Amino acid sequence: DTAVSQTPKYLVTQMGNDKSIKCEQNLGHDTMYWYKQDSKKFLKIMFSYNNKELIINETVPNRFSPKSPDKAHLNLHINSLELGDSAVYFCASSQVSLAGGFGWGTDTQYFGPGTRLTVL
Amino acid sequence: KNEVEQSPQNLTAQEGEFITINCSYSVGISALHWLQQHPGGGIVSLFMLSSGKKKHGRLIATINIQEKHSSLHITASHPRDSAVYICAVASYGGSQGNLIFGKGTKLSVKP
Repeated sequence: DTAVSQTPKYLVTQMGNDKSIKCEQNLGHDTMYWYKQDSKKFLKIMFSYNNKELIINETVPNRFSPKSPDKAHLNLHINSLELGDSAVYFCASSQVSLAGGFGWGTDTQYFGPGTRLTVL
Repeated sequence: KNEVEQSPQNLTAQEGEFITINCSYSVGISALHWLQQHPGGGIVSLFMLSSGKKKHGRLIATINIQEKHSSLHITASHPRDSAVYICAVASYGGSQGNLIFGKGTKLSVKP
């Protein structure tokens, strides 16, 4: 049973297109995250959702819009794709609830396999 | 200067060697994570610690909060330990906090 799954695994698309990446976790966790890993393998957090509520939104262009239909899903929608969006995107989840803003990053995170996005 | 610095950037070892990877940070933290990224790209959380020392199999992680420094040790290294090891800190920041990553240490263990 896959704990954190992402689809698709690979995504190749043209500049200007709109695309979505889906993430699902079956661990019953309260918090989910999206990370971006650039070509130099540097990881950076993009968003965090806690119980379907946006908790963290780092400096990310508003072309990126996360959507959490329920606690087990956090999808990433990207509008008007640009060359610089090419990267590997990782979804992750953790048990800790971030109610009140405390507890961030203080629980083990479980990562999905990643989605390699290539914008041509 | 990055808020999380790892050293060395690259490390090559012979099978059986004792390995140490270092992580220094410059912000106040609530926790520090060590992650392993396999050559295939998958990321696994190895440790999360806020004080002292943790051990799992041949892996040991230590943290010194006063010195803002953590080390990851691998005893009796094996080629299957070849991976990128990433340090990340959960820092105090704004009202929500932040998770800041080091650039990783690429470890290659030769048989």
